[in-house]
Amino acid sequence: DQQVKQNSPSLSVQEGRISILNCDYTNSMFDYFLWYKKYPAEGPTFLISISSIKDKNEDGRFTVFLNKSAKHLSLHIVPSQPGDSAVYFCAAAGTASKLTFGTGTRLQVTL
Amino acid sequence: DAGVTQSPTHLIKTRGQQVTLRCSPKSGHDTVSWYQQALGQGPQFIFQYYEEEERQRGNFPDRFSGHQFPNYSSELNVNALLLGDSALYLCASSLFWDRAGNTIYFGEGSWLTVV
Repeated sequence: DQQVKQNSPSLSVQEGRISILNCDYTNSMFDYFLWYKKYPAEGPTFLISISSIKDKNEDGRFTVFLNKSAKHLSLHIVPSQPGDSAVYFCAAAGTASKLTFGTGTRLQVTL
Repeated sequence: DAGVTQSPTHLIKTRGQQVTLRCSPKSGHDTVSWYQQALGQGPQFIFQYYEEEERQRGNFPDRFSGHQFPNYSSELNVNALLLGDSALYLCASSLFWDRAGNTIYFGEGSWLTVV
């Protein structure tokens, strides 16, 4: 039973345009949602998070939106840069920092 | 300030053997969690250690065991290795009170190949 789903395995976006990565979850007990970025041969790096009591959180070029009724969240990257090319994981936290991850979306930002 | 360090980086084992992976958490962190990331999948939670005790466990068999030492470092042990245990094993350190997960830092992982 996959509680966190990222249905798009890959996404290609032109440099300067907006990248939108999507994530769906099934467990309404999750309190926090996080996005991680992962380069090959490196561990995941924290990007941005959002509490379940909020619907938007912004940090520089990164904005996360949460729609609790739809159990859906999205990460917007504006403007996209070539260095953003990586695998992005959506994760949900229920208790004591135990993370449940999605399967990831590979973002390719082209020139 | 060193982040999360893991060893070894890569290793190859034979089916049926046992393996031990090691993790030193980020300075100031008191909690260590282990994740398994199979190819093409997201990391899956194995277990979490705090105050030298296993606090939470994911859906992994008893072949997976761990330990946390007084200096907060941790080991992951896997017995009777199966081909399906081939994966990247990630260590994450954090602060136990952090329910939001904002203090979680991951190491670069240990690549285990079982042949």
